[in-house]
Parts: sequence; C-alpha cells; structure tokens
Amino acid sequence: DADVTQTPRNRITKTGKRIMLECSQTKGHDRMYWYRQDPGLGLRLIYYSFDVKDINKGEISDGYSVSRQAQAKFSLSLESAIPNQTALYFCATSASIGSNQPQHFGDGTRLSIL
Amino acid sequence: RKEVEQDPGPFNVPEGATVAFNCTYSNSASQSFFWYRQDCRKEPKLLMSVYSSGNEDGRFTAQLNRASQYISLLIRDSKLSDSATYLCVGRNFGNEKLTFGTGTRLTIIP
Repeated sequence: DADVTQTPRNRITKTGKRIMLECSQTKGHDRMYWYRQDPGLGLRLIYYSFDVKDINKGEISDGYSVSRQAQAKFSLSLESAIPNQTALYFCATSASIGSNQPQHFGDGTRLSIL
Repeated sequence: RKEVEQDPGPFNVPEGATVAFNCTYSNSASQSFFWYRQDCRKEPKLLMSVYSSGNEDGRFTAQLNRASQYISLLIRDSKLSDSATYLCVGRNFGNEKLTFGTGTRLTIIP
C-alpha cells in the first residue's frame, strides 16, 4: 500500500547502535501504529498514536521509543539495538471515525541486529 | 492461552476446492473482527471485516459465532492466487489494540 511508506526497507546493523525507522502516510489518518512480526508469534503492537504528540505504549514497548511530530509521520527508534530486536517491523494507520476501522500497513522494514 | 488462536496449517488444497479456516478468541470483550491476508515477506492486507450477521465478498464468506467465540473464513472455488497466510484479528470495544492470530498458511495446488 503505497499510501503508507516505510524507510528503510531493509537494515543490517550491530548491537548497541541507535536505529530509527520512519513511517509516512498520505491517507490523512489520525492514528498510527508500530508492530513487529516474529515467526510463530504474529504481529505485536509496540507503540501507537492517536494524534500529533500523542504516544501510547503497546504490549512490547521496552527498548523502543517513538515520535509523532506531524500527522503524517511516526518514527520508531531503537536506542541501543540488541539481537532479539531482529524482526520484521510494520507501520500501520487507521481512521478515527467509527469503531470498525481496519488498519492499513506499510511494506515493512526487515531489521537484522548482529 | 493466546487471545486469538488459529491453526497454523499448512493447508494444501487443490485448485477449485472449498477451504474453511476457524479462529477462536478468548476475550469476550472482543467486538470487531477482521481477516487479513499476508503474502510471504509482504505487509498484511485487509481481506474483509467480519460482521455479526455474517458477510460475503465474492468467493469469500466470513462468519462470527459469539456464543462459541469463533470466527470463520470460507473460500470457494479457490484460485492459485489465494495462496497466502490468513490472519485472524480481533479488537476490543474502545481499545485501539488489535490482537492478531499467528496466521494460517494456505497453499493452492494446481
């Protein structure tokens, strides 16, 4: 879904490095999310945001931080990367109107921590 | 127990056959449900929302059974392009958190 763009698409880095993953959207949605996906565990929510400067922890927020300085952008940071943060990361957006709004995902960032 | 559980499969089904997946959920507060489709190394894409009365979209039919706490997805006249992993997703009322199942892998065989 080109309306939700993630950069980079792939990243290999070393333990202890700081990494930032970027997400931008042209859908005009208020709500944005960061997930990670690991084999056998499904998608797990890291952080989410309802609006600019609104930040909420998901189920696995430890070791991560996020920033929402503009409606269209939501960045995820790993302050000091560790190998068990190797995963496929997805950004998603949804509209705020109605309780049954689905989420729309970006293409994903494949992150490997050595 | 996982909040949303799916049989991981794999389901290997001949082209043209009908296939059905079930997904069970443990949280009775779950209000909204969706089926997503995910191709290998790609992002999840919404296949369909699941409504209480059941709903159909072409060859796909979704059902919700609140009494037994499961949802189902039926695919008729399966195509090779239906090969993917199907994710069952629930959302609690008033909660932004979506809970994803681990997915059911489907392969359609020519």
